[in-house]
Amino acid sequence: DAGVTQSPTHLIKTRGQQVTLRCSPKSGHDTVSWYQQALGQGPQFIFQYYEEEERQRGNFPDRFSGHQFPNYSSELNVNALLLGDSALYLCASSSLRSGNTIYFGEGSWLTVV
Amino acid sequence: KNEVEQSPQNLTAQEGEFITINCSYSVGISALHWLQQHPGGGIVSLFMLSSGKKKHGRLIATINIQEKHSSLHITASHPRDSAVYICAVNYGGSQGNLIFGKGTKLSVKP
Repeated sequence: DAGVTQSPTHLIKTRGQQVTLRCSPKSGHDTVSWYQQALGQGPQFIFQYYEEEERQRGNFPDRFSGHQFPNYSSELNVNALLLGDSALYLCASSSLRSGNTIYFGEGSWLTVV
Repeated sequence: KNEVEQSPQNLTAQEGEFITINCSYSVGISALHWLQQHPGGGIVSLFMLSSGKKKHGRLIATINIQEKHSSLHITASHPRDSAVYICAVNYGGSQGNLIFGKGTKLSVKP
């Protein structure tokens, strides 16, 4: 079981550009959550997807959008990148059937220059 | 405002010492998680608690619902335990929607 996999692991973008980050949940998990972790801070909840719908959303602007596919994998898209979007983006998967234990990916390090 | 407070922020210990990290939260929760994050970034879930106490190897996690407080203990600490330990909570039964503390950076010296 590969656990939660994220790609890419590192990337550098320029201000104003758009980025797409990808996440494959742990096998058997149907819920995917995305978090942003700035350097030296705890992760902040961006949004959560379940059954291809955004179920909950944190305090992030509309520049942050996402998608969940029928195979439960998910994408996080960020438009009009700002320097302040530089962070580690973490994906976490879970499932009620699996007792709500949460599994995290290794994260995608985004640097905006 | 929902907040999760951890203490201490930084902790340095000698190998073999008993470690305690504390977490407090402001309102009722459905579950509390203790997580470990290594410098590479990946997060590992150590415990999920809604009441009582759990033990896994040298790690022990306790929670007091009435006092809205949880502790993570590490017995016989080892340099490989060096990491950031994060407390996170689920409010209102929201599966996977976690509110995180800022973490406790633990360094265990040989």
